[in-house]
Amino acid sequence: NAGVTQTPKFRVLKTGQSMTLLCAQDMNHEYMYWYRQDPGMGLRLIHYSVGEGTTAKGEVPDGYNVSRLKKQNFLLGLESAAPSQTSVYFCASSYSIHRVGTEAFFGQGTRLTVV
Amino acid sequence: AQRVTQPEKLLSVFKGAPVELKCNYSYSGSPELFWYVQYSRQRLQLLLRHISRESIKGFTADLNKGETSFHLKKPFAQEEDSAMYYCALNGGSQGNLIFGKGTKLSVKP
Repeated sequence: NAGVTQTPKFRVLKTGQSMTLLCAQDMNHEYMYWYRQDPGMGLRLIHYSVGEGTTAKGEVPDGYNVSRLKKQNFLLGLESAAPSQTSVYFCASSYSIHRVGTEAFFGQGTRLTVV
Repeated sequence: AQRVTQPEKLLSVFKGAPVELKCNYSYSGSPELFWYVQYSRQRLQLLLRHISRESIKGFTADLNKGETSFHLKKPFAQEEDSAMYYCALNGGSQGNLIFGKGTKLSVKP
């Protein structure tokens, strides 16, 4: 099984450019998440989705948009990139809270640099 | 509000010393808690979960509901334990996982 796959793995953007990060999971998970990881800040939730067609804001949603048109995919968009969005982005997926022992499976990360 | 607190950003110990990474939570119901680990430049992965009462790589964690804690312990740290450790709670308002800010463990030779 591929698990959770993120594309691309690396990207350099100029300020003001836009891009979309793709997350795909093949475990039929209902829940999907986008996090950013910054030194000293740990893991911060950007947006998440509890099912196809639904999205919700996390801790740091500003400057990002998401879509969940298909259950297996969760897209993170940056409409106008800023240097403050330089970070490592992780996608994750899980079953819902109603399944005992739910754990999250993570992608390998996308290292984004905005210059 | 549901919350996970890891008070230490960095924990540095010598090889062979005991290690304890602290995690406290705030949750009104019956919590499900996890420890995740991220080795250098790798993806996060589940280390252990409280319901399994397991020991993984020598690590254990006991849920203490009275102190609302889920501390991660290992009696003898190894250099390969150096990593970022995240405590997580299965209890967001919509069922999402809530992560602490993480503790970087550095095991010196």
